[in-house]
Amino acid sequence: RKEVEQDPGPFNVPEGATVAFNCTYSNSASQSFFWYRQDCRKEPKLLMSVYSSGNEDGRFTAQLNRASQYISLLIRDSKLSDSATYLCVVNFGNEKLTFGTGTRLTIIP
Amino acid sequence: NAGVMQNPRHLVRRRGQEARLRCSPMKGHSHVYWYRQLPEEGLKFMVYLQKENIIDESGMPKERFSAEFPKEGPSILRIQQVVRGDSAAYFCASSPIQTDTIYFGEGSWLTVV
Repeated sequence: RKEVEQDPGPFNVPEGATVAFNCTYSNSASQSFFWYRQDCRKEPKLLMSVYSSGNEDGRFTAQLNRASQYISLLIRDSKLSDSATYLCVVNFGNEKLTFGTGTRLTIIP
Repeated sequence: NAGVMQNPRHLVRRRGQEARLRCSPMKGHSHVYWYRQLPEEGLKFMVYLQKENIIDESGMPKERFSAEFPKEGPSILRIQQVVRGDSAAYFCASSPIQTDTIYFGEGSWLTVV
């Protein structure tokens, strides 16, 4: 089983719609969690951290469920510029970040 | 304040040649991480270095790959006798301390022909 698993997609979503991604992780002792965004042939960029209490940043909401070992990302009122690959990232407490393979999202005009 | 600088951005090597990828961390950052992204795959951790020390190299292939971060100058990822399977994007990231918040460079794309 992969340490961090994501549905690779692709998700093709009309502009203005709401889309949600889930990610599961293997180690219950995991310490911290993030969503990164990666555009084609670009570096990953931090989108948001994920806290147990959940957090929101504009149209983006992230949730963590430690009991079920999954993380979610919700994007509301999607924009064309949201088209990218979204990477689920976990720190397992071993000084490095472990990345999922990413979920590809395309927003359709 | 310049970000993490990687060079070359694109590198083409023939099988059997050596590839050297350089990474200059952000100013004030003494922690460097190297990740590799194969086509259509996620980022895989390779190595974590501090100045003059390799902290964790658990993701480095056992042969042909080496990394250093000298007291002066950039971190270097060296791949000897490259093979086609080494073709990938190599990303460097840095942080000021051992932390979750790391900042990526734009990557170096290696193509082995």
